[in-house]
Amino acid sequence: QSALTQPASVSGSPGQSITISCTGTSSDIGYYNYVSWYHQHPGKAPKLMIYDVSIRPSGVSNRFSGSKSGNTASLTISGLQAEDEADYYCSSYTSGNTLVVFGGGTKLTVL
Amino acid sequence: QLQLQESGPGLVKPSETLSLTCTVSAGSISSRSFYWGWIRQPPGKGLEWVGSFFYSGTTYYNPSLKSRVTISVDTSKNQFSLNLSSVTAADTAVYFCARHSEGPFDLWGQGALVTVSS
Repeated sequence: QSALTQPASVSGSPGQSITISCTGTSSDIGYYNYVSWYHQHPGKAPKLMIYDVSIRPSGVSNRFSGSKSGNTASLTISGLQAEDEADYYCSSYTSGNTLVVFGGGTKLTVL
Repeated sequence: QLQLQESGPGLVKPSETLSLTCTVSAGSISSRSFYWGWIRQPPGKGLEWVGSFFYSGTTYYNPSLKSRVTISVDTSKNQFSLNLSSVTAADTAVYFCARHSEGPFDLWGQGALVTVSS
């Protein structure tokens, strides 16, 4: 069982917007603004899409945005494109001896 | 551009020790403010943080693996290594090495598949 909870799957049509949630606890998402989001295509390494809750690395489309409320972080993808179809993972810095926790992943299907 | 590359045996027998090395090029693993870590992904499953070390030398391990994991560093070779002892089929996974801070894992290796089987 993953430390952070994500929906197993989400779907949307091209041009639409979708949101993926990531729920943690007051020891990780609720305490630190160190939430990151990654997408992963089959057979590839994950790619960083959002860090520190809402910051996009250079080169990442502004169609990707992140937010946080309480113990839940969210990734929103607007203007869905076929190339967005991938697995998405959230992660958070956490307190104690466990440095980092990941979500279980969400499969995004572009219909 | 800093790059990471995993290397090591692709097949390990049950009860033996899995050993992987991550070689960092075009950058130093002694760089301040960064962690260098291992993440694994069993086939068809999600990402699991295995452990990391900080440039100061402090190591951190996933509590669920802590009794079996060791991460070591060779700064002269700009490499860091993962040893996972007493492996079982449940340890079969793609193992990634990556650079990270308190927040993001911003640079990843391509991953190395390790299969545990007799």
